[in-house]
Amino acid sequence: SQKIEQNSEALNIQEGKTATLTCNYTNYSPAYLQWYRQDPGRGPVFLLLIRENEKEKRKERLKVTFDTTLKQSLFHITASQPADSATYLCALDQGTGRRALTFGSGTRLQVQP
Amino acid sequence: GAVVSQHPSRVICKSGTSVKIECRSLDFQATTMFWYRQFPKQSLMLMATSNEGSKATYEQGVEKDKFLINHASLTLSTLTVTSAHPEDSSFYICSAMAGKTGELFFGEGSRLTVL
Repeated sequence: SQKIEQNSEALNIQEGKTATLTCNYTNYSPAYLQWYRQDPGRGPVFLLLIRENEKEKRKERLKVTFDTTLKQSLFHITASQPADSATYLCALDQGTGRRALTFGSGTRLQVQP
Repeated sequence: GAVVSQHPSRVICKSGTSVKIECRSLDFQATTMFWYRQFPKQSLMLMATSNEGSKATYEQGVEKDKFLINHASLTLSTLTVTSAHPEDSSFYICSAMAGKTGELFFGEGSRLTVL
């Protein structure tokens, strides 16, 4: 069956350190993978999209890698700040031409000052 | 970025009543919108894909007669939870793609509580 797995345990790090979150998937052949941020009681906010033929993408303090052989994406936040504390969701398209996204369960990041 | 507005943000209703949630794309036209549902500490579950001018496509296990979707214009999709029951209490979120790049823009969500 299809699965998108993110670490359900919260990640606690010190301010200034790099946070690394993992997204693993099985039985998908996505054309792209996306990362979203969700704050409590709010809708998700788009952060980055990486295509199947891209290995790495950066945006300011954010970096995403995509390994289609390992079926894994890593999401990095460098020089983390308390304001980065949120739940981070990875999402895949269904790879069949459908435009809908399927989301992982998210990882809660807590950045301590 | 593109803005998606959702209303109401919170609604409390009695069991057996129907509730309508609106989703609007404010600065772009959305031929396709997506409705998700999220239970506490869980991920977003796709309920249905709303297509302007045609019938919605529902995911497996989602009752189309229970969750009525109407996408009458390029900027508005509505989700009506009919004969709501306490188990329908959840966070409902709509989203749309602006352009062809693939990212979704989400509304702020609507928290439904059925008493």
